[in-house]
Amino acid sequence: AQTVTQSQPEMSVQEAETVTLSCTYDTSESNYYLFWYKQPPSRQMILVIRQEAYKQQNATENRFSVNFQKAAKSFSLKISDSQLGDTAMYFCAFMSYRDDKIIFGKGTRLHILP
Amino acid sequence: NAGVTQTPKFRILKIGQSMTLQCTQDMNHNYMYWYRQDPGMGLKLIYYSVGAGITDKGEVPNGYNVSRSTTEDFPLRLELAAPSQTSVYFCASSYSGALARDGTEAFFGQGTRLTVV
Repeated sequence: AQTVTQSQPEMSVQEAETVTLSCTYDTSESNYYLFWYKQPPSRQMILVIRQEAYKQQNATENRFSVNFQKAAKSFSLKISDSQLGDTAMYFCAFMSYRDDKIIFGKGTRLHILP
Repeated sequence: NAGVTQTPKFRILKIGQSMTLQCTQDMNHNYMYWYRQDPGMGLKLIYYSVGAGITDKGEVPNGYNVSRSTTEDFPLRLELAAPSQTSVYFCASSYSGALARDGTEAFFGQGTRLTVV
């Protein structure tokens, strides 16, 4: 069974700094998606960034980028120039091509300090 | 565009009562999911469906039932509520699941906070 592990339950950084959130996963599949979702206090789940495993190039979305290491099964999220609005819970998620389930990690609570 | 709509937003149940959490989506998505979110535990998959008439168990299905009679609706039923089912419940949908290789993503409802006392 696939598992997703986020080893940092909580992090705090100063506004404008860069922060990296860690995620590792375990799977025997070779084709899959990886996602980072953001959950602000409103509880709404918002897709931040996604990566297809067959793509070697790391995905980027404005200030958000990932470091995808397929062999190491690692998928970290880097937030550059962090803003107060980035304060949220961040979830790493996995979805294989073969299995239609989306599996989430336990989340990392990120605080951006003014 | 409403997206994924869950009702109710909040509910308090007594032990042993039953209820149905409603979920509907207007994006013509074939895949739908139910998750529960406990503090510090992330999201656990309860049930999912890959199309009308097809449902399957996730990680934590005990105490719940689902049905998928239409593409739009995916209700979650709690038959005999227990305090362990106190949680926030999320419904989600996606277009093609993992098979499309088209950058699929899941769209979530706003969640239902359920308390069983």
